[in-house]
Amino acid sequence: EAQVTQNPRYLITVTGKKLTVTCSQNMNHEYMSWYRQDPGLGLRQIYYSMNVEVTDKGDVPEGYKVSRKEKRNFPLILESPSPNQTSLYFCASSPEAVLVWAQYFGPGTRLLVL
Amino acid sequence: GQQLNQSPQSMFIQEGEDVSMNCTSSSIFNTWLWYKQDPGEGPVLLIALYKAGELTSNGRLTAQFGITRKDSFLNISASIPSDVGIYFCAGQMTGNNRKLIWGLGTSLAVNP
Repeated sequence: EAQVTQNPRYLITVTGKKLTVTCSQNMNHEYMSWYRQDPGLGLRQIYYSMNVEVTDKGDVPEGYKVSRKEKRNFPLILESPSPNQTSLYFCASSPEAVLVWAQYFGPGTRLLVL
Repeated sequence: GQQLNQSPQSMFIQEGEDVSMNCTSSSIFNTWLWYKQDPGEGPVLLIALYKAGELTSNGRLTAQFGITRKDSFLNISASIPSDVGIYFCAGQMTGNNRKLIWGLGTSLAVNP
């Protein structure tokens, strides 16, 4: 089954404790991205990757890091989480950047930073 | 970042009613998209529109790409309880194929 998986689905952590949210897709997609969703602010792109070893900032990259060492994986790293990073996070992938509109979204990771 | 003006923000309707929502922008888009997000899930693409004036249907859903390329609407006919969710519009700008601009969503509740 074609899918984007994220782990964990739910996470409660404390300020400053490094965490990683994993994202994996099984569709051999080149383009992957991370979004955060907040009430009243909609979906905002954090980082995106057009292919292996190619990443770039989205609209709200501050406080986040990403890496793309393999085509299928695109982890989101919070080196020192803060309460304002409490949010619902989505990973998404599409066959290539020009087809970003055809992206598949993962099920989401709900993060609470205390 | 830029966002689309999506309205209404929320709707509460009776089962069987028709629903209409729209998105407007000050910028021109070459693609308009409509997504639905079910509770606890990620958004799923419903309809993609590629040409000004285009009218496209997907079952009970109909969407149109505005003639000015600055707006789009989505209609849902004869709503059913499983239509509940958040509907997002998104636009892909001319010359910037990697980026989508998103609306803030329309939250739809359907009373059986």
